[in-house]
Amino acid sequence: LAKTTQPISMDSYEGQEVNITCSHNNIATNDYITWYQQFPSQGPRFIIQGYKTKVTNEVASLFIPADRKSSTLSLPRVSLSDTAVYYCLVGRPRQLTFGSGTQLTVLP
Amino acid sequence: ETGVTQSPTHLIKTRGQQVTLRCSSQSGHNTVSWYQQALGQGPQFIFQYYREEENGRGNFPPRFSGLQFPNYSSELNVNALELDDSALYLCASSLLGARENIQYFGAGTRLSVL
Repeated sequence: LAKTTQPISMDSYEGQEVNITCSHNNIATNDYITWYQQFPSQGPRFIIQGYKTKVTNEVASLFIPADRKSSTLSLPRVSLSDTAVYYCLVGRPRQLTFGSGTQLTVLP
Repeated sequence: ETGVTQSPTHLIKTRGQQVTLRCSSQSGHNTVSWYQQALGQGPQFIFQYYREEENGRGNFPPRFSGLQFPNYSSELNVNALELDDSALYLCASSLLGARENIQYFGAGTRLSVL
């Protein structure tokens, strides 16, 4: 399984765009990149998944450069309710391997 | 709302006891996975069940066992509870064979071992 590295924590203010970058140097050819969001005392929630270039859905965008060794989750115009832990996962294994994630704190 | 429900939401046990946690998968999903999440950590994979058979296991001892039923609901059983078993236990359902391995999580069961 490809190892991922992401910042431990980030702070932002309401209304700003937030970009969280994940490094995955050992990504394999068939691996997908998936991001989950988790609020305290809740299960992780799927946000977005991509393989290459750019993927956008109603809540986020995922940017993946050509070499696929990193990816950036972009959250447009965050609000206080976006305060959560964000996990970057790589692969398409039976089991998901979560790191410690990035604690995003949105300030008023 | 993921359609994955877990029960109970909270549970308190004492060391040495046994516990059973339950999970109802999202409709149409054939695979269920269980994860343990200690405070401040990411979820750790315990095992996965597909068509009522174990289909992968993480680094957990045999006293962690599971069942999947024909209706795809599932149980996690933990015997001889230890203090370190105190955690949030998460169930996730998915469709094995789908192009994307997206897992849908329940809200979890908070287990406290005293």
